[in-house]
Amino acid sequence: AQKITQTQPGMFVQEKEAVTLDCTYDTSDPSYGLFWYKQPSSGEMIFLIYQGSYDQQNATEGRYSLNFQKARKSANLVISASQLGDSAMYFCAMRDYSGGYQKVTFGTGTKLQVIP
Amino acid sequence: DAGVIQSPRHEVTEMGQEVTLRCKPISGHNSLFWYRQTMMRGLELLIYFNNNVPIDDSGMPEDRFSAKMPNASFSTLKIQPSEPRDSAVYFCASSDSGQLYQPQHFGDGTRLSIL
Repeated sequence: AQKITQTQPGMFVQEKEAVTLDCTYDTSDPSYGLFWYKQPSSGEMIFLIYQGSYDQQNATEGRYSLNFQKARKSANLVISASQLGDSAMYFCAMRDYSGGYQKVTFGTGTKLQVIP
Repeated sequence: DAGVIQSPRHEVTEMGQEVTLRCKPISGHNSLFWYRQTMMRGLELLIYFNNNVPIDDSGMPEDRFSAKMPNASFSTLKIQPSEPRDSAVYFCASSDSGQLYQPQHFGDGTRLSIL
């Protein structure tokens, strides 16, 4: 079973609008970390935001916020006031323990295109 | 502070040749990860080290792939012999070990093309 699911292969958003990128996860470990990364067309992987499984409040970093719904096992990324430079691939990732080892699993990504 | 440094940035070689990718993690980070990214398979974790010791290499595709971390500031990923299907972008990342909530910091990747 997939541990990280990103159901939106591609999305469009109008500049200055907000957009939500979906991510659901699956783990039996009570301790885990959830992360979002941005990969622009230039190829580098840029860390955006993280949420710990025990965090009571949703994480925020500037225009990025993480809508963490633990019971639903979802960790959606919200980008407010989209900018042209936000056009990129976005990956959701989880870090947990599996089989005694720390594991990192990435989703398949969502390609976001911001329209002027 | 310097980020994760990978070399070379690009590598083009013929099949059958040995390929060595290099990585210098962020100073003070004691977990290091090697990933491979392709269009077909996405981002795959190949192996990770904790305090220079390989912890999980279940993602290494074949015996042709090997990775070492001789000290805290250097790691290599070697492919011998290389094949066209090994063409991909290979990323190295580092983070604080034992910290589930610490993000991984990625290098710029090595774009490998095997002809």
